[in-house]
Amino acid sequence: ELKVEQNPLFLSMQEGKNYTIYCNYSTTSDRLYWYRQDPGKSLESLFVLLSNGAVKQEGRLMASLDTKARLSTLHITAAVHDLSATYFCAVDLLGETSGSRLTFGEGTQLTVNP
Amino acid sequence: DSGVTQTPKHLITATGQRVTLRCSPRSGDLSVYWYQQSLDQGLQFLIQYYNGEERAKGNILERFSAQQFPDLHSELNLSSLELGDSALYFCASSPYSGIKETQYFGPGTRLLVL
Repeated sequence: ELKVEQNPLFLSMQEGKNYTIYCNYSTTSDRLYWYRQDPGKSLESLFVLLSNGAVKQEGRLMASLDTKARLSTLHITAAVHDLSATYFCAVDLLGETSGSRLTFGEGTQLTVNP
Repeated sequence: DSGVTQTPKHLITATGQRVTLRCSPRSGDLSVYWYQQSLDQGLQFLIQYYNGEERAKGNILERFSAQQFPDLHSELNLSSLELGDSALYFCASSPYSGIKETQYFGPGTRLLVL
């Protein structure tokens, strides 16, 4: 059974600081996704990582994937308050009939303080 | 706004009852996915339909069932409801199935079972 673990689960940081969220998964996969969720809201797609060594950047967020280590990171640079949200990584495994099923990590609740 | 719509937004019902959640995918998307988000279980994949056919199945209870109609909208039926079924139910959609693509999430239906 695929397991996806994120750490930390809770992160409180000051504006302007840098930090990294880690996502480890237990079964080989080359499809990893990062989503953002604001309180009471839906999930917003941030990054799609589809190969070993993939790196994607958008604004103050950068995501990377190491399929050999089964590890993805989400790096936050010079955090601002607007980044406060819960961040989920999700790993996709093919279903038996070429379906798709995302397995999510527990989520990292990020709070950026002034 | 992802383009995925879900109705109703909120649903309050009693134990033992049956409810139907509805999802309309983004225009042109053939796959629909259902997820359950609760404090206890986190985000869990329930089931995927592609162009009317079931493609992947997760930890969906026997009391739950889903279908996708010819117009590609989908319904999730929850019966013999229990208190533990209270959760946020998300629908997501994507263009195809089994391909490395983002799933776009709807706003969710919040179900409260009393």
